[in-house]
Amino acid sequence: DAGVIQSPRHEVTEMGQEVTLRCKPISGHNSLFWYRQTMMRGLELLIYFNNNVPIDDSGMPEDRFSAKMPNASFSTLKIQPSEPRDSAVYFCATRRGRLATFTDTQYFGPGTRLTVL
Amino acid sequence: SQELEQSPQSLIVQEGKNLTINCTSSKTLYGLYWYKQKYGEGLIFLMMLQKGGEEKSHEKITAKLDEKKQQSSLHITASQPSHAGIYLCGAGLLKPLNAGGTSYGKLTFGQGTILTVHP
Repeated sequence: DAGVIQSPRHEVTEMGQEVTLRCKPISGHNSLFWYRQTMMRGLELLIYFNNNVPIDDSGMPEDRFSAKMPNASFSTLKIQPSEPRDSAVYFCATRRGRLATFTDTQYFGPGTRLTVL
Repeated sequence: SQELEQSPQSLIVQEGKNLTINCTSSKTLYGLYWYKQKYGEGLIFLMMLQKGGEEKSHEKITAKLDEKKQQSSLHITASQPSHAGIYLCGAGLLKPLNAGGTSYGKLTFGQGTILTVHP
């Protein structure tokens, strides 16, 4: 199994530019999570999809952030316009199983390290 | 304040020594997960605990969830340089829907414990 695939692995951009992060979940996993990790705030959940439908987006910082999951094998997280405070590592994680359970494990991708200058 | 507190924040040990990392909450922990992270990489799943009093081991790492399900510990025996990294605990702090609760399975993570093992 290839695991969760994220691209790009590193992104350096200038303030005001649009940034798109991509995630391919593990085949058969129907839950997908986007997280952001910073030194100050640790690992924070941004948004959660189940069967391609956004279930919880309460962690999305503001309107500059948007996420989509057009099908079961692809998701994007977009920041427009980007700001220096968005600099962080963004992780995608996926999980098999039913909507409301703690019996299945979340598997994380390698992350995208975003730097906004 | 953090809903899930890890201690210590960092730990430096000599190779061969035993060590323990704790993960504590004021709320009941549903589905406690331990992950390891190396710099520049993703989180690697180590173990999952669900039941109070449960204990699991893999190689030299043992994780326990206390009876009241409000604290978990991760113990490494005879540490090696390969154990170095950041250890994170993640847990559900709300009862899941399939158990009569309201949570879809959201995990809250601790701040992590940085482990350094000197050869």
